[in-house]
Amino acid sequence: GDSVTQTEGLVTLTEGLPVMLNCTYQSTYSPFLFWYVQHLNEAPKLLLKSFTDNKRPEHQGFHATLHKSSSSFHLQKSSAQLSDSALYYCANNNAGAKLTFGGGTRLTVRP
Amino acid sequence: EAAVTQSPRNKVAVTGGKVTLSCNQTNNHNNMYWYRQDTGHGLRLIHYSYGAGSTEKGDIPDGYKASRPSQENFSLILELATPSQTSVYFCASGGTTNSDYTFGSGTRLLVI
Repeated sequence: GDSVTQTEGLVTLTEGLPVMLNCTYQSTYSPFLFWYVQHLNEAPKLLLKSFTDNKRPEHQGFHATLHKSSSSFHLQKSSAQLSDSALYYCANNNAGAKLTFGGGTRLTVRP
Repeated sequence: EAAVTQSPRNKVAVTGGKVTLSCNQTNNHNNMYWYRQDTGHGLRLIHYSYGAGSTEKGDIPDGYKASRPSQENFSLILELATPSQTSVYFCASGGTTNSDYTFGSGTRLLVI
């Protein structure tokens, strides 16, 4: 069945180091991937989404590339900031307009 | 500004009681969704709707009902609340296939 897997539940980094949050998926139909970010006591908000024209989506210094060959859509940033500390969700929009979410990765950035 | 508004923000309910969570959207989206968020489980889909009058079961519908009386409103109903339904509930609206969602601010429900 359709699923999204985020292997790390918790990631702790030092400010300035690169960020990579993993996301793999299984999708019956052509995948359309999203990353959402949720800060403490707030709603999840869209961070970025995959495109179908091979453009690499970027937002707030984060980027992700959809690799259909490996069924992955990892989130990356070259230098972590304290304000990046949040809960990150990867999600896939299957046919029928339903988002399937991964279990989430909590990123903590330390000074 | 288009938005998704949930009420109440916080709710304490008694086991066996009836709870109704409300959601209103001004995005003019056809699709609306109810998720619950629990540590270790992420966001899990309870019920969703493709438009007024329609409700569909999500991945964890047991113990919940939904109602979509209009394009703007989508309610989640717990007829007999149980402590296992203590959670944070998010409503979201979305447009067409492959579109993203807009989430409400969440309702924190405690069932005692």
